[in-house]
Parts: sequence; C-alpha cells; structure tokens
Amino acid sequence: LAKTTQPISMDSYEGQEVNITCSHNNIATNDYITWYQQFPSQGPRFIIQGYKTKVTNEVASLFIPADRKSSTLSLPRVSLSDTAVYYCLVGDLWAGGPHTGKLIFGQGTTLQVKP
Amino acid sequence: NAGVTQTPKFRVLKTGQSMTLLCAQDMNHEYMYWYRQDPGMGLRLIHYSVGEGTTAKGEVPDGYNVSRLKKQNFLLGLESAAPSQTSVYFCASSYVSGGPYEQYFGPGTRLTVT
Repeated sequence: LAKTTQPISMDSYEGQEVNITCSHNNIATNDYITWYQQFPSQGPRFIIQGYKTKVTNEVASLFIPADRKSSTLSLPRVSLSDTAVYYCLVGDLWAGGPHTGKLIFGQGTTLQVKP
Repeated sequence: NAGVTQTPKFRVLKTGQSMTLLCAQDMNHEYMYWYRQDPGMGLRLIHYSVGEGTTAKGEVPDGYNVSRLKKQNFLLGLESAAPSQTSVYFCASSYVSGGPYEQYFGPGTRLTVT
C-alpha cells in the first residue's frame, strides 16, 4: 500500500524560508502530489499541486525530482500565521479519468513559527 | 457562496446507535469525499463519489455507508456506531477538469461514540 512519510514537526523563525519534504517511494504514474495546510478545528486548505518538476504559486513552491519519489514544499518568508499542520497527499483520483480511488495523506508536519 | 457545509458540528452517540452526517456544497462540484481524522494521523478516505448517483469505497469504508442522490449533497451513515468510530469527519468536494484538482473541505463534524 502506498505510503507517504513526512517529518513530524519543524521549527522556524519569522522571515525564514521553510522546506518540508515528503517521501512517497511507491508513487504511481497517474498520481499527483498535493499539499494542504490545516489550522486547529478547521478543514484542510489547498496550498499547491504538481506532477513533476517545479510548480510555483503566490504562496508556495513545490519541487518534485525526476523520479518523483519525494517532493518538497517551500514556504518563503514564513510568518507567525503560517504556524499550522502541513499535509502531503498523493493520489490519482483526479480529472475524471481512470483511477484507482487512491488518496493517501501523510501524517502531517507541525510547523511552529517563532517570532 | 457557503462552500462546503457539514451538519451537525458535534454529536455524541451511544454504541449501537445510528446517525447520518450531511455534507452540502454549492460550487457545482462533480466529486465529493468523506474522510476521518484521528489524533496524530492524517486524513483517511472513507468513501467518495464521482457524480450524482455514484459512490465508491475509499481506504477505510467498513462500518459506513454513503449516498449521493443529489449532486450537491453527500450523506455518510453509521448504521451501528462503535467507539472506534469516534473521530472528526471531514467532507470535501472538487472539480473534475481544469486543474489543479483542489479539494475544498468543510469545517468537520466531531463525533464521539460512548
């Protein structure tokens, strides 16, 4: 069964860049990699998604090496409000095409941003 | 737009009781999902639906049933609740086409089974 592995926790300071890596050795050809942010007592919120190479949006970058067995979420210049749990998700349940119904969340990385 | 809403927000059940959790979305999304989240763990997919009238099993479907009679609603049922089903339940929905394939999550339902 496919599994994703993330560090349990990370600490950072305001203004620093934070990189969180997720390992997904058994990723399949049709799998996409997605990252979510979750605050206490709320549902997860989408950050970024990618398939290969690098993706960047207004809040983060996602780096995926050629073998796709890992991915790294990069948060530039974090602030106190970025303190949250970050989840890596690997799955193929997208786009209406053939799929296996797989959506595997990692256990999450608790990021603590300090002043 | 209300986005994804879940009813109820909290519920306490006794072992053996039944209940239905309601999820509603007003974004005309094709796909809908039910997850459970336990302490220290990520979300696990219970059931999902790729369209009105269709449902499929996810990673942890045992003890749950679902129905999607209307495109905007996805119901999760517990026929005979067990303490192991104490959890926080999240519903989500997403578009099929266009990418990225972002799931929009509801606020969650905290269920305790005693």
